[in-house]
Amino acid sequence: EPEVTQTPSHQVTQMGQEVILRCVPISNHLYFYWYRQILGQKVEFLVSFYNNEISEKSEIFDDQFSVERPDGSNFTLKIRSTKLEDSAMYFCASSRGWLYNEQFFGPGTRLTVL
Amino acid sequence: EDKVVQSPLSLVVHEGDTVTLNCSYEVTNFRSLLWYKQEKKAPTFLFMLTSSGIEKKSGRLSSILDKKELSSILNITATQTGDSAIYLCALTILTGGGNKLTFGTGTQLKVEL
Repeated sequence: EPEVTQTPSHQVTQMGQEVILRCVPISNHLYFYWYRQILGQKVEFLVSFYNNEISEKSEIFDDQFSVERPDGSNFTLKIRSTKLEDSAMYFCASSRGWLYNEQFFGPGTRLTVL
Repeated sequence: EDKVVQSPLSLVVHEGDTVTLNCSYEVTNFRSLLWYKQEKKAPTFLFMLTSSGIEKKSGRLSSILDKKELSSILNITATQTGDSAIYLCALTILTGGGNKLTFGTGTQLKVEL
């Protein structure tokens, strides 16, 4: 059964460093998303991406964040200068379509900023 | 502001019990409601419900949306220890561009022998 994959599973970085989180969505899916979950809190939407551009972003997704689909399979989230409060589990998700299409989540990357 | 409220926050049951989890919402431009099961890491998809009110079933799990009450329930019958997880309710809201999910806090279910 196709699934969303993410690498790395755990990333530890120093405050101020740049990190890139990688995702491979399900191959025939067209819509891609990033969510994050701070420990003990809700899953929060960050950004949605379709047709090589951002279709929506949350208030969390400020200028420090960017997304890219560098090739036909990968979908990346970059955080330019990490802060302590960026420590969280980051989930990538994908869906086949827009309306009435469930989103499938990857296993997540745990980001720890020291 | 869109709200998704789940209840109870947590519960402990014994194997074989039946449980009912609740999700209520206040959102604009509602499109669909999704249930996910979160064990160790990633939420795994269970059901998608729409305003049609059609009940969804999969084995011992079932769910239905009440569009008048703006709520949904997730039923699990004959619970097993493998059902222990956090159950997340999420709403799809129609926005200008995307298709974001707005999640509730989840219900933590523990099934004991």
